[in-house]
Amino acid sequence: NAGVMQNPRHLVRRRGQEARLRCSPMKGHSHVYWYRQLPEEGLKFMVYLQKENIIDESGMPKERFSAEFPKEGPSILRIQQVVRGDSAAYFCASESGTSANTGELFFGEGSRLTVL
Amino acid sequence: AQKVTQAQTEISVVEKEDVTLDCVYETRDTTYYLFWYKQPPSGELVFLIRRNSFDEQNEISGRYSWNFQKSTSSFNFTITASQVVDSAVYFCALSDQGAQKLVFGQGTRLTINP
Repeated sequence: NAGVMQNPRHLVRRRGQEARLRCSPMKGHSHVYWYRQLPEEGLKFMVYLQKENIIDESGMPKERFSAEFPKEGPSILRIQQVVRGDSAAYFCASESGTSANTGELFFGEGSRLTVL
Repeated sequence: AQKVTQAQTEISVVEKEDVTLDCVYETRDTTYYLFWYKQPPSGELVFLIRRNSFDEQNEISGRYSWNFQKSTSSFNFTITASQVVDSAVYFCALSDQGAQKLVFGQGTRLTINP
């Protein structure tokens, strides 16, 4: 999983603030996924993006959450007006796009959001 | 709908014992992929194995081995001669053809005691 860079690794926010999590995929990878891991649970798919396109956001809460993967720069997961229930580890994963249908994802080390 | 069940929430064994982590999956797809990931205390996800639905051969990698049985929809993971460094949460996951998103089980927390 070397190469997928997430920052910040840890983020503390108060209720009502905004959280921005960044993910730089592995070099050459054009597909990015975001997963959320609530405490003591498995990972849950949130969103799948390609450059400048959201492909599948079926796992994303309808309100307060948004994601983008611009032509230049990292993918951003944005959470507005955070609530305590948003406290979780957010993992980014990337794949090249040429290995489609294999699900061979390379995960970052995660960003741990704590909402006070 | 796809589903992955890891019935063992926590397992604790003494070092050098063999331990098997169970994974049962549900899918309507004929082509799918199964995975195991390790999450050590540091929190990152470490890829262990990917297996496609057409390959039922068991696999061995060092002290790790995997037993894939389509008849029982299971993909179990065995660690032989366990070591303290094997202590982690282990996740089994499933993805179907044409979609890259993984469906994860709840994880099994494995503790290896010296």
